[in-house]
Amino acid sequence: KQEVTQIPAALSVPEGENLVLNCSFTDSAIYNLQWFRQDPGKGLTSLLLIQSSQREQTSGRLNASLDKSSGRSTLYIAASQPGDSATYLCAPGDGQNFVFGPGTRLSVLP
Amino acid sequence: GAGVSQSPSNKVTEKGKDVELRCDPISGHTALYWYRQSLGQGLEFLIYFQGNSAPDKSGLPSDRFSAERTGGSVSTLTIQRTQQEDSAVYLCASSSDRGLEAFFGQGTRLTVV
Repeated sequence: KQEVTQIPAALSVPEGENLVLNCSFTDSAIYNLQWFRQDPGKGLTSLLLIQSSQREQTSGRLNASLDKSSGRSTLYIAASQPGDSATYLCAPGDGQNFVFGPGTRLSVLP
Repeated sequence: GAGVSQSPSNKVTEKGKDVELRCDPISGHTALYWYRQSLGQGLEFLIYFQGNSAPDKSGLPSDRFSAERTGGSVSTLTIQRTQQEDSAVYLCASSSDRGLEAFFGQGTRLTVV
């Protein structure tokens, strides 16, 4: 059974810092891995999808890396802004089901 | 529509009543997922539809829960004889095919009183 952990559980930083959010998963036989953000009381917004054959994906200030063999993914956020404040969720998928981590709650202070 | 649409956005029901939650996926998306997020908890997989294949129902918590997808598009999640522990946000997602990027709706917040 896939288990996902995310470190840190919460993070509070001043605006402008570069951030690293970590995700670990126990079953490396994944099809892909997707990063989402969730704002309070809202649904999930897709950030990046990495296929199992890929090492990283970039979108704007976001970069996600995947080390499938070691069961790790990292989300880098460059030059953080207050609008980045949200919960960030990591979800490795087997092609039919995503298993979600507990999330990292990020607060970026102006 | 441009995104995944769910209705109602909020539902309050009495214990023991049946409820139906609706999901309109992005047009043309063949894969559809239902998840549940209880207060302070992570997302819990419920069911997965892919095209005309038999759905993966492995996440449904009890036989009071069922879901169908008509015509490969709209999906309805039905909860019979609701219990207080069913209170949660029910989220629907779709993707254009198996293993591709999933897009979520805003969810239905279900409160059983």
